[in-house]
Amino acid sequence: LAKTTQPISMDSYEGQEVNITCSHNNIATNDYITWYQQFPSQGPRFIIQGYKTKVTNEVASLFIPADRKSSTLSLPRVSLSDTAVYYCLVAPTEVTGGGNKLTFGTGTQLKVEL
Amino acid sequence: DSGVTQTPKHLITATGQRVTLRCSPRSGDLSVYWYQQSLDQGLQFLIQYYNGEERAKGNILERFSAQQFPDLHSELNLSSLELGDSALYFCASSVEAGGPPSSGELFFGEGSRLTVL
Repeated sequence: LAKTTQPISMDSYEGQEVNITCSHNNIATNDYITWYQQFPSQGPRFIIQGYKTKVTNEVASLFIPADRKSSTLSLPRVSLSDTAVYYCLVAPTEVTGGGNKLTFGTGTQLKVEL
Repeated sequence: DSGVTQTPKHLITATGQRVTLRCSPRSGDLSVYWYQQSLDQGLQFLIQYYNGEERAKGNILERFSAQQFPDLHSELNLSSLELGDSALYFCASSVEAGGPPSSGELFFGEGSRLTVL
Protein backbone atom coordinates (compact mmCIF):
# COMPACT_ATOMS: atom_id res chain seq x y z
CA LEU A 1 0.00 0.00 0.00
CA ALA A 2 1.38 3.38 -0.99
CA LYS A 3 2.70 5.44 1.91
CA THR A 4 1.71 9.09 1.91
CA THR A 5 3.54 12.15 3.19
CA GLN A 6 1.89 15.50 3.87
CA PRO A 7 2.91 18.69 5.65
CA ILE A 8 1.95 18.55 9.29
CA SER A 9 0.31 21.97 9.32
CA MET A 10 -0.54 24.98 7.18
CA ASP A 11 -1.88 28.43 7.98
CA SER A 12 -3.97 30.64 5.75
CA TYR A 13 -6.35 33.58 5.80
CA GLU A 14 -9.94 33.80 4.77
CA GLY A 15 -10.44 34.29 1.06
CA GLN A 16 -7.11 32.80 0.05
CA GLU A 17 -6.55 29.69 -2.03
CA VAL A 18 -4.90 26.84 -0.16
CA ASN A 19 -2.93 24.06 -1.80
CA ILE A 20 -2.01 20.96 0.19
CA THR A 21 0.39 18.52 -1.43
CA CYS A 22 0.64 14.83 -0.70
CA SER A 23 3.57 12.67 -1.79
CA HIS A 24 2.96 9.03 -2.69
CA ASN A 25 6.08 7.88 -4.48
CA ASN A 26 5.18 4.19 -4.63
CA ILE A 27 1.65 4.59 -5.89
CA ALA A 28 0.48 1.55 -7.84
CA THR A 29 -1.03 1.60 -11.31
CA ASN A 30 -4.53 0.88 -10.08
CA ASP A 31 -4.47 3.17 -7.07
CA TYR A 32 -6.78 6.14 -6.81
CA ILE A 33 -6.16 9.21 -4.67
CA THR A 34 -8.80 10.37 -2.23
CA TRP A 35 -8.87 13.32 0.13
CA TYR A 36 -10.82 13.53 3.37
CA GLN A 37 -11.58 16.36 5.77
CA GLN A 38 -11.90 15.84 9.51
CA PHE A 39 -13.19 18.24 12.14
CA PRO A 40 -12.40 17.65 15.84
CA SER A 41 -14.33 14.75 17.34
CA GLN A 42 -16.02 13.95 14.04
CA GLY A 43 -15.48 11.23 11.48
CA PRO A 44 -13.58 12.08 8.29
CA ARG A 45 -15.63 13.26 5.35
CA PHE A 46 -14.92 12.62 1.67
CA ILE A 47 -13.84 15.68 -0.30
CA ILE A 48 -12.62 14.57 -3.69
CA GLN A 49 -11.10 11.65 -5.56
CA GLY A 50 -9.06 11.27 -8.74
CA TYR A 51 -6.78 9.08 -10.79
CA LYS A 52 -4.84 11.48 -13.01
CA THR A 53 -4.82 15.05 -14.33
CA LYS A 54 -7.40 17.30 -12.73
CA VAL A 55 -10.69 16.74 -10.97
CA THR A 56 -12.97 19.49 -9.75
CA ASN A 57 -16.13 19.46 -7.70
CA GLU A 58 -18.13 22.08 -5.85
CA VAL A 59 -15.73 22.29 -2.93
CA ALA A 60 -12.22 21.54 -4.22
CA SER A 61 -9.91 20.65 -7.07
CA LEU A 62 -7.42 17.83 -7.20
CA PHE A 63 -4.32 18.08 -9.36
CA ILE A 64 -2.37 14.93 -10.20
CA PRO A 65 0.76 15.12 -12.36
CA ALA A 66 1.51 12.60 -15.06
CA ASP A 67 3.84 10.51 -12.88
CA ARG A 68 1.17 10.40 -10.12
CA LYS A 69 3.81 10.45 -7.41
CA SER A 70 2.11 13.38 -5.76
CA SER A 71 -1.22 15.14 -5.68
CA THR A 72 -2.38 18.58 -4.65
CA LEU A 73 -5.68 19.43 -3.04
CA SER A 74 -6.73 22.96 -3.85
CA LEU A 75 -9.31 24.75 -1.72
CA PRO A 76 -10.46 28.01 -3.30
CA ARG A 77 -11.22 31.00 -1.11
CA VAL A 78 -11.06 29.28 2.26
CA SER A 79 -13.14 30.38 5.21
CA LEU A 80 -12.84 29.87 8.95
CA SER A 81 -15.02 26.78 8.64
CA ASP A 82 -12.36 25.09 6.50
CA THR A 83 -10.12 24.80 9.55
CA ALA A 84 -9.70 21.04 9.83
CA VAL A 85 -7.32 18.16 9.27
CA TYR A 86 -7.00 17.02 5.67
CA TYR A 87 -5.98 13.47 4.85
CA CYS A 88 -4.68 12.04 1.60
CA LEU A 89 -5.47 8.37 1.05
CA VAL A 90 -4.13 6.19 -1.73
CA ALA A 91 -6.25 3.11 -2.28
CA PRO A 92 -6.25 0.21 -4.73
CA THR A 93 -9.19 -0.37 -6.97
CA GLU A 94 -8.98 -4.11 -7.21
CA VAL A 95 -10.71 -6.33 -4.75
CA THR A 96 -8.13 -8.66 -3.36
CA GLY A 97 -8.37 -11.63 -1.12
CA GLY A 98 -6.13 -9.87 1.32
CA GLY A 99 -8.50 -6.97 1.68
CA ASN A 100 -7.38 -3.38 1.83
CA LYS A 101 -5.58 -1.83 4.73
CA LEU A 102 -6.83 1.65 4.00
CA THR A 103 -4.23 3.43 6.06
CA PHE A 104 -4.43 7.18 6.48
CA GLY A 105 -1.31 9.29 6.88
CA THR A 106 -0.80 11.85 9.62
CA GLY A 107 -2.82 14.47 7.78
CA THR A 108 -2.38 18.22 7.43
CA GLN A 109 -3.85 20.56 10.04
CA LEU A 110 -5.12 23.60 8.17
CA LYS A 111 -5.78 26.70 10.25
CA VAL A 112 -7.67 29.54 8.62
CA GLU A 113 -7.65 32.96 10.28
CA LEU A 114 -9.43 36.22 9.64
CA ASP B 1 -25.36 12.41 8.19
CA SER B 2 -23.15 9.70 6.68
CA GLY B 3 -25.67 6.93 7.28
CA VAL B 4 -23.21 5.03 9.49
CA THR B 5 -24.36 4.66 13.08
CA GLN B 6 -22.05 4.00 15.98
CA THR B 7 -23.03 3.29 19.57
CA PRO B 8 -22.35 4.23 22.24
CA LYS B 9 -21.17 7.77 21.54
CA HIS B 10 -19.36 7.98 24.84
CA LEU B 11 -18.15 5.29 27.19
CA ILE B 12 -16.23 5.56 30.44
CA THR B 13 -14.84 2.47 32.06
CA ALA B 14 -12.03 1.23 34.26
CA THR B 15 -8.78 -0.53 33.48
CA GLY B 16 -9.13 -4.25 33.08
CA GLN B 17 -12.70 -4.05 31.87
CA ARG B 18 -14.21 -5.13 28.57
CA VAL B 19 -16.39 -3.08 26.24
CA THR B 20 -18.19 -3.61 22.96
CA LEU B 21 -18.58 -0.94 20.32
CA ARG B 22 -21.25 -1.31 17.70
CA CYS B 23 -21.45 -0.11 14.12
CA SER B 24 -24.30 -0.17 11.65
CA PRO B 25 -23.07 0.51 8.11
CA ARG B 26 -24.93 2.44 5.45
CA SER B 27 -27.73 0.53 3.85
CA GLY B 28 -26.26 -1.63 1.10
CA ASP B 29 -22.64 -1.28 2.17
CA LEU B 30 -20.93 -4.64 2.57
CA SER B 31 -17.55 -3.54 3.88
CA VAL B 32 -16.82 -2.24 7.37
CA TYR B 33 -13.56 -0.73 8.57
CA TRP B 34 -12.54 0.06 12.16
CA TYR B 35 -10.12 2.83 13.05
CA GLN B 36 -8.61 4.07 16.29
CA GLN B 37 -7.73 7.72 16.80
CA SER B 38 -5.94 8.69 19.99
CA LEU B 39 -5.67 12.30 21.13
CA ASP B 40 -3.91 14.39 18.50
CA GLN B 41 -3.05 11.28 16.54
CA GLY B 42 -3.94 10.15 13.06
CA LEU B 43 -6.31 7.38 12.12
CA GLN B 44 -4.92 3.94 12.84
CA PHE B 45 -6.45 1.18 10.76
CA LEU B 46 -7.51 -1.76 12.90
CA ILE B 47 -9.46 -4.24 10.83
CA GLN B 48 -11.72 -4.66 7.80
CA TYR B 49 -14.69 -6.96 7.24
CA TYR B 50 -16.50 -7.67 4.02
CA ASN B 51 -19.87 -9.41 3.99
CA GLY B 52 -19.20 -11.13 7.27
CA GLU B 53 -15.62 -12.18 6.63
CA GLU B 54 -12.42 -10.65 7.91
CA ARG B 55 -10.48 -9.23 4.98
CA ALA B 56 -7.59 -7.17 6.32
CA LYS B 57 -5.88 -6.60 9.63
CA GLY B 58 -3.94 -3.58 10.68
CA ASN B 59 -2.39 -2.67 14.01
CA ILE B 60 -5.03 -4.36 16.07
CA LEU B 61 -4.00 -5.61 19.48
CA GLU B 62 -4.64 -9.20 20.50
CA ARG B 63 -6.87 -7.86 23.28
CA PHE B 64 -9.15 -6.46 20.58
CA SER B 65 -11.43 -8.46 18.34
CA ALA B 66 -14.19 -7.74 15.90
CA GLN B 67 -16.87 -9.44 13.89
CA GLN B 68 -19.46 -8.65 11.26
CA PHE B 69 -22.85 -10.24 11.58
CA PRO B 70 -25.22 -11.53 8.86
CA ASP B 71 -27.18 -8.28 9.00
CA LEU B 72 -23.83 -6.55 8.26
CA HIS B 73 -23.55 -4.65 11.51
CA SER B 74 -20.19 -4.98 13.19
CA GLU B 75 -18.90 -5.03 16.73
CA LEU B 76 -15.46 -4.21 18.07
CA ASN B 77 -14.65 -5.87 21.37
CA LEU B 78 -11.95 -4.36 23.55
CA SER B 79 -10.84 -6.34 26.58
CA SER B 80 -8.37 -5.99 29.45
CA LEU B 81 -8.54 -2.29 28.86
CA GLU B 82 -5.55 -0.09 29.58
CA LEU B 83 -5.27 3.66 29.97
CA GLY B 84 -3.68 3.88 26.54
CA ASP B 85 -6.77 2.44 24.92
CA SER B 86 -8.59 5.70 25.54
CA ALA B 87 -9.40 7.01 22.08
CA LEU B 88 -12.03 7.71 19.47
CA TYR B 89 -13.01 4.57 17.62
CA PHE B 90 -14.43 5.10 14.16
CA CYS B 91 -16.29 2.76 11.94
CA ALA B 92 -16.49 3.34 8.20
CA SER B 93 -18.37 1.53 5.50
CA SER B 94 -18.17 1.23 1.76
CA VAL B 95 -19.98 -0.75 -0.86
CA GLU B 96 -17.16 -2.99 -1.91
CA ALA B 97 -14.26 -4.79 -0.26
CA GLY B 98 -11.88 -2.79 -2.36
CA GLY B 99 -13.16 0.45 -0.92
CA PRO B 100 -12.60 3.44 -3.18
CA PRO B 101 -12.88 4.32 -5.95
CA SER B 102 -15.73 2.59 -7.68
CA SER B 103 -17.89 3.06 -4.63
CA GLY B 104 -16.60 6.58 -4.43
CA GLU B 105 -15.70 6.86 -0.78
CA LEU B 106 -15.59 5.61 2.73
CA PHE B 107 -18.46 6.77 4.92
CA PHE B 108 -17.48 7.34 8.52
CA GLY B 109 -19.62 7.29 11.61
CA GLU B 110 -19.34 9.91 14.32
CA GLY B 111 -17.22 7.64 16.46
CA SER B 112 -17.33 6.15 19.93
CA ARG B 113 -15.24 7.97 22.48
CA LEU B 114 -13.76 5.55 24.99
CA THR B 115 -12.26 6.80 28.22
CA VAL B 116 -10.42 4.31 30.41
CA LEU B 117 -9.81 5.46 33.97
